[in-house]
Amino acid sequence: DSGVTQTPKHLITATGQRVTLRCSPRSGDLSVYWYQQSLDQGLQFLIQYYNGEERAKGNILERFSAQQFPDLHSELNLSSLELGDSALYFCASARGDYGAGELFFGEGSRLTVL
Amino acid sequence: DQQVKQNSPSLSVQEGRISILNCDYTNSMFDYFLWYKKYPAEGPTFLISISSIKDKNEDGRFTVFLNKSAKHLSLHIVPSQPGDSAVYFCAASPTAGGYQKVTFGTGTKLQVIP
Repeated sequence: DSGVTQTPKHLITATGQRVTLRCSPRSGDLSVYWYQQSLDQGLQFLIQYYNGEERAKGNILERFSAQQFPDLHSELNLSSLELGDSALYFCASARGDYGAGELFFGEGSRLTVL
Repeated sequence: DQQVKQNSPSLSVQEGRISILNCDYTNSMFDYFLWYKKYPAEGPTFLISISSIKDKNEDGRFTVFLNKSAKHLSLHIVPSQPGDSAVYFCAASPTAGGYQKVTFGTGTKLQVIP
């Protein structure tokens, strides 16, 4: 158990819809990272928050947005969903926002867009 | 552009033998390398890392070798155990870049046959 909690674990929805994925980081971790893993792809970095502030953006579509709340949990909002958005979405947390050490991953949220 | 490549999608090894998982990278700015292990329905978990100032790092049955001139690293598992069956992700980062700069490979699925 990494200590990172993601909900929901599975989500099936239709094209054009909007969903929200939730992540609670490990106790004491201030950074939250979101990654997308599509079929046969590596983990693609989407966005990072540190202590409530956006720190870095990766390959995140404009239809996607995220935020980190005062209690440090984070939500990833995916809107106007397309078939290609079907993927595993992982949240990871870390104590700080800098460095190349270990990230702690949640179990992921599997999104299926029909 | 896949900067971190794991060219073998899968590998099967007999229990007790050596497992060798390979990873190639193209970005010469990468100087910190990690391996993550992922079981089904779980998030990736950190396994072992190596800095570019070293060419080898051991942790129990796991050893990572780095060949900077060839831009190649490998993970050796000796002896392999059935519990090692998982997907292994290679990841690389420039240490000055922060966690958001970590680039993951597409993973190699290892099956250890009893």
